[in-house]
Amino acid sequence: GAVVSQHPSWVICKSGTSVKIECRSLDFQATTMFWYRQFPKQSLMLMATSNEGSKATYEQGVEKDKFLINHASLTLSTLTVTSAHPEDSSFYICSASPTSGIYNEQFFGPGTRLTVL
Amino acid sequence: GENVEQHPSTLSVQEGDSAVIKCTYSDSASNYFPWYKQELGKRPQLIIDIRSNVGEKKDQRIAVTLNKTAKHFSLHITETQPEDSAVYFCAARDSGYSTLTFGKGTMLLVSP
Repeated sequence: GAVVSQHPSWVICKSGTSVKIECRSLDFQATTMFWYRQFPKQSLMLMATSNEGSKATYEQGVEKDKFLINHASLTLSTLTVTSAHPEDSSFYICSASPTSGIYNEQFFGPGTRLTVL
Repeated sequence: GENVEQHPSTLSVQEGDSAVIKCTYSDSASNYFPWYKQELGKRPQLIIDIRSNVGEKKDQRIAVTLNKTAKHFSLHITETQPEDSAVYFCAARDSGYSTLTFGKGTMLLVSP
């Protein structure tokens, strides 16, 4: 089956530093990848949609200059949290769809737990 | 945009009982409705999905029903087991976009 990996699985950083999270589709090519944020006991909130070779589409209220997304290849998307602050602490999950289309399943990565001190 | 409402937020059942989780959606153009199970600290896992040209789908103890006219869909779990305990999310996808809109989740607790 389709596998999506994320790295790192958890990260602790100091306030003001930047953190990069990688999302990889291991056995398929992903034209589209998605980045979600999940707070404890809450639902998944879509942050942005990234398409290979083009700029990401950010959801309303998500600062694109703070959450930098790069989808440079069909198997890799990265999310960089710039100048992280404690309120950015959360569970970040990516997902990927094998091809664009209306019926394709999204496969989720295992998530990255970010803690900003 | 799409709006998905999910109820109940928590559901406690005894092992062997059935559990039903209901979702409504707002966009009549939505045509794909997946259900995900998420255990604590883990990734969401797709357990079943239904497309708008089908009214019901079943996979062993899990079934999903869709009422397009009323714009609601439901997850049915029969003969629940303690390992079914998790948070379940419904979602809907608009035919014009590839993004999923998730419900707020239902925490299911199955007691032995």
